[in-house]
Amino acid sequence: ETGVTQTPRHLVMGMTNKKSLKCEQHLGHNAMYWYKQSAKKPLELMFVYNFKEQTENNSVPSRFSPECPNSSHLFLHLHTLQPEDSALYLCASSQVPSRETQYFGPGTRLLVL
Amino acid sequence: RKEVEQDPGPFNVPEGATVAFNCTYSNSASQSFFWYRQDCRKEPKLLMSVYSSGNEDGRFTAQLNRASQYISLLIRDSKLSDSATYLCAVNKVDSSYKLIFGSGTRLLVRP
Repeated sequence: ETGVTQTPRHLVMGMTNKKSLKCEQHLGHNAMYWYKQSAKKPLELMFVYNFKEQTENNSVPSRFSPECPNSSHLFLHLHTLQPEDSALYLCASSQVPSRETQYFGPGTRLLVL
Repeated sequence: RKEVEQDPGPFNVPEGATVAFNCTYSNSASQSFFWYRQDCRKEPKLLMSVYSSGNEDGRFTAQLNRASQYISLLIRDSKLSDSATYLCAVNKVDSSYKLIFGSGTRLLVRP
């Protein structure tokens, strides 16, 4: 399935590095989301974009910086991360926020050394 | 009380068994409910939406109990390939745009 794609699929970075995660949806949806999934924890919503406008920042540290240039693309810029930020980062999209089904990308598995 | 709660399991059942999971939610005004399936090291994939009248898709049946504020997922004739973690999701009823996910219930189907 290629409805929602994410790159890279795996990323190893040092705490002083800067990297970006990319998400693209081919479903014609208007809402996009970033989630973090750590081991043994539920999915944590990080950011929500609706028609390119950020509508939710779920108390995410500033070392995570989202960017949504259009309804099809979403980025997550990373800088000075901590080892506890190691997790699976999932992008999702939906036609409209909240009540509609969300479709997930394959995720980026991030390891911070 | 957590907004969405699930028994983490694991549920260990033989092939062919019937197994059921519940998911409780705290906000009685929630309107949208979903079951997702997540395989190890993969993304969650939508299994089915849960409607007020309940819905069935092959071996899978989802039910909503508004009075007791839970949704259920019933799997009949379990297959080895059903082994996965099952996540429930409930919309958050406020001005934000959120689905709240449970921690998931792990199912292991043994030969």
